[in-house]
Amino acid sequence: EAGVTQFPSHSVIEKGQTVTLRCDPISGHDNLYWYRRVMGKEIKFLLHFVKESKQDESGMPNNRFLAERTGGTYSTLKVQPAELEDSGVYFCASSQDTGRTQYFGPGTRLTVL
Amino acid sequence: AQSVTQLDSQVPVFEEAPVELRCNYSSSVSVYLFWYVQYPNQGLQLLLKYLSGSTLVKGINGFEAEFNKSQTSFHLRKPSVHISDTAEYFCAVSSYNFNKFYFGSGTKLNVKP
Repeated sequence: EAGVTQFPSHSVIEKGQTVTLRCDPISGHDNLYWYRRVMGKEIKFLLHFVKESKQDESGMPNNRFLAERTGGTYSTLKVQPAELEDSGVYFCASSQDTGRTQYFGPGTRLTVL
Repeated sequence: AQSVTQLDSQVPVFEEAPVELRCNYSSSVSVYLFWYVQYPNQGLQLLLKYLSGSTLVKGINGFEAEFNKSQTSFHLRKPSVHISDTAEYFCAVSSYNFNKFYFGSGTKLNVKP
């Protein structure tokens, strides 16, 4: 069974540009989460989808971040326009409806210059 | 609100020595506790979890952790480490509905020959 996959693995962009990160959860997992780790600090929750609905987006930093999960399968996280402080590693995780373990992807390292 | 503190950002240890990675949490409600490991250039992998029952939890690769409610701790231990255990370890607390994880800032374990 394939794990959680994320694309791209690395992205380097300039301030003001737009970047879109993609996450493909484990097949059959209705729950999808986005987290971010900035500058070696703690990994912080961004938001949670149940199927295509946003269950909790309390961790989204501001309105420059937009997450979508059309059709309840893969998800995208768009940053527009990117700022220097958006640099970090963005992790995606998924879990089964009744599961208690979140399975994490390898992350996307975003660098904003 | 919940929070997790990993007091040691880096732990150097010699191969075959025992190791303890410390994790303390703060929460006013019942919690579920997890340890994840991130090997170089890989995603987060679940080591072990405490949901209920025995306070001593055994995980993969010979790791174990003990839940101590009175001290609000969930320290990770291994009696004899290997070079391959070199990685970053994250302690996490889950909300009651498992829909949000709170992570510590991570502990880098460096096993030396």
